[in-house]
Amino acid sequence: EAGVTQSPTHLIKTRGQQATLRCSPISGHTSVYWYQQALGLGLQFLLWYDEGEERNRGNFPPRFSGRQFPNYSSELNVNALELEDSALYLCASSQGVPMNTEAFFGQGTRLTVV
Amino acid sequence: AQTVTQSQPEMSVQEAETVTLSCTYDTSESDYYLFWYKQPPSRQMILVIRQEAYKQQNATENRFSVNFQKAAKSFSLKISDSQLGDAAMYFCAYWGARAGSYQLTFGKGTKLSVIP
Repeated sequence: EAGVTQSPTHLIKTRGQQATLRCSPISGHTSVYWYQQALGLGLQFLLWYDEGEERNRGNFPPRFSGRQFPNYSSELNVNALELEDSALYLCASSQGVPMNTEAFFGQGTRLTVV
Repeated sequence: AQTVTQSQPEMSVQEAETVTLSCTYDTSESDYYLFWYKQPPSRQMILVIRQEAYKQQNATENRFSVNFQKAAKSFSLKISDSQLGDAAMYFCAYWGARAGSYQLTFGKGTKLSVIP
């Protein structure tokens, strides 16, 4: 069974540009979570999608947005990139409420803003 | 809001020895889940062990076990017979079981080194 897959693995963008990161959950999982892992920091919660709806949002500016598609895959969009957006972005999936008791992570997308 | 604290930024252990990583958390909920994740240099977050708050028995997975003290809000991870492959960042995480808290909240991590 395929795990959570993220693309691209690496992404280099210029300040002010937009970045789009993609995540495919494990088959049967309806919830997708996005996390930012900046250097030296822990994982900061960004967004949670379940059944196509945004369920919760972390303490990030509106230029961080996303969506979940009918097949439960998800996109994270970061507009007007800033240097401090450089980080590893991790996606996780779970079975969805109220069944979610375990989250599985992808390998992440390393975003570098120059 | 829930918070998770890992007070040991770095730890080291001799191969074959035992090491304990500390984690405390703050919550007003009575039902929740606690996790330890391992993140090796490959970046893949791997679930090591999980504990349901309503279970008094400490979880165990082979060489990994936890000491869950609900009243003290403490959740430490013990690694026995440490192996070189155990070297990684270890993150403690909290997951609420009620609407509004369905998200994993992570500590800042502990970097574990294993000395041959």
